[in-house]
Amino acid sequence: AQSVTQLDSHVSVSEGTPVLLRCNYSSSYSPSLFWYVQHPNKGLQLLLKYTSAATLVKGINGFEAEFKKSETSFHLTKPSAHMSDAAEYFCVVRSTSGTYKYIFGTGTRLKVLA
Amino acid sequence: GAGVSQSPRYKVTKRGQDVTLRCDPISSHATLYWYQQALGQGPEFLTYFNYEAQPDKSGLPSDRFSAERPEGSISTLTIQRTEQRDSAMYRCASSPGTTTYEQYFGPGTRLTVT
Repeated sequence: AQSVTQLDSHVSVSEGTPVLLRCNYSSSYSPSLFWYVQHPNKGLQLLLKYTSAATLVKGINGFEAEFKKSETSFHLTKPSAHMSDAAEYFCVVRSTSGTYKYIFGTGTRLKVLA
Repeated sequence: GAGVSQSPRYKVTKRGQDVTLRCDPISSHATLYWYQQALGQGPEFLTYFNYEAQPDKSGLPSDRFSAERPEGSISTLTIQRTEQRDSAMYRCASSPGTTTYEQYFGPGTRLTVT
């Protein structure tokens, strides 16, 4: 069965410094992986997706993630944090076992300090 | 429509009552998902539809939960004999199809069972 583990429930960074949000996945097959962002009182928005093409995936708002099969990781990064990046981030894997359901991680809350 | 809409946005009900939540997906989107999101957690898959078919309802917590999408567009999620543990945000998402990876989320319905 597929699953994702977000290694940090909270991350704090200073504005202008790099962001790293960690995600490890478990999947028997080549997975489809995603990062979603949820701003306070807003819906979830897709940041980026990996679907077995290039291992370095670029998303919106300067975010990118690298698929590393040897480490079963899909960490989300951004070179320079902005105040508007403060939100909750979810790593997601799509099931490959005959159904099209998505499995969300527990989330990482990113705080950006001025 | 322009986006996924859900109604009501907030629902307070007494334990033992039935509630029905509604999701209006983006028009022409074939696939529709329901999720339950407890406070501080990631969304948990409940069920999904491909047009009016419901291929996977493995995430429904009990037989008190049911979902319909009779004409392949609007969907309802019904919870019978509500319990306090049903209190959560219920999110709906739609997607053009099962081979399209991006989900578009609605704003959610906050259900509180007293």
